Amino acid sequence: GIQVEQSPPDLILQEGANSTLRCNFSDSVNNLQWFHQNPWGQLINLFYIPSGTKQNGRLSATTVATERYSLLYISSSQTTDSGVYFCAVISMNRDDKIIFGKGTRLHILP
Amino acid sequence: EAQVTQNPRYLITVTGKKLTVTCSQNMNHEYMSWYRQDPGLGLRQIYYSMNVEVTDKGDVPEGYKVSRKEKRNFPLILESPSPNQTSLYFCASSLRAPGRAQETQYFGPGTRLLVL
Repeated sequence: GIQVEQSPPDLILQEGANSTLRCNFSDSVNNLQWFHQNPWGQLINLFYIPSGTKQNGRLSATTVATERYSLLYISSSQTTDSGVYFCAVISMNRDDKIIFGKGTRLHILP
Repeated sequence: EAQVTQNPRYLITVTGKKLTVTCSQNMNHEYMSWYRQDPGLGLRQIYYSMNVEVTDKGDVPEGYKVSRKEKRNFPLILESPSPNQTSLYFCASSLRAPGRAQETQYFGPGTRLLVL
């Protein structure tokens, strides 16, 4: 089945810094989403982005489907950005099973 | 308010004692699924359902059962829980299967299960 790898696994930054999180996937996808899990465990959808670029405030995401990767950018980090960021994909061959990466744990220091 | 609810939120039980974790959504979603989250492993799909009476195995279905008798409910059943099923469980739903359209997954708040 499709493999999803996220990097880095952990990231510690000072408040105000910028960061880039990466998601590589091993097969063609027709769905890619980024999620944020806050320190209380709540999972929130950030972007649906199987290709192209989207922006939402300080966050933006780019997926290059032909090269099988996606990037999540966080600018001017705030402590509320702390948590775990997950990439999740659905293979072109299976439109009903969602595969998550293992996540990037982000800790923003005040 | 559109939401996915799970109950209970926390559960401590003993090996072999059957339990059910309920999941309900009020958005008339067709697609529902269960995940477990374990440290270092991310979220792994246990079972999913494309619609009423249609369920299928995810990546880690062993030791679990599900049913989808009504569109809004998708309970997760552990017939004989074991300590390796200690985990954080999430239920999620979307209007249709996520791969068929621009579908956002809505997650429940999670159920933390400890099996002694």
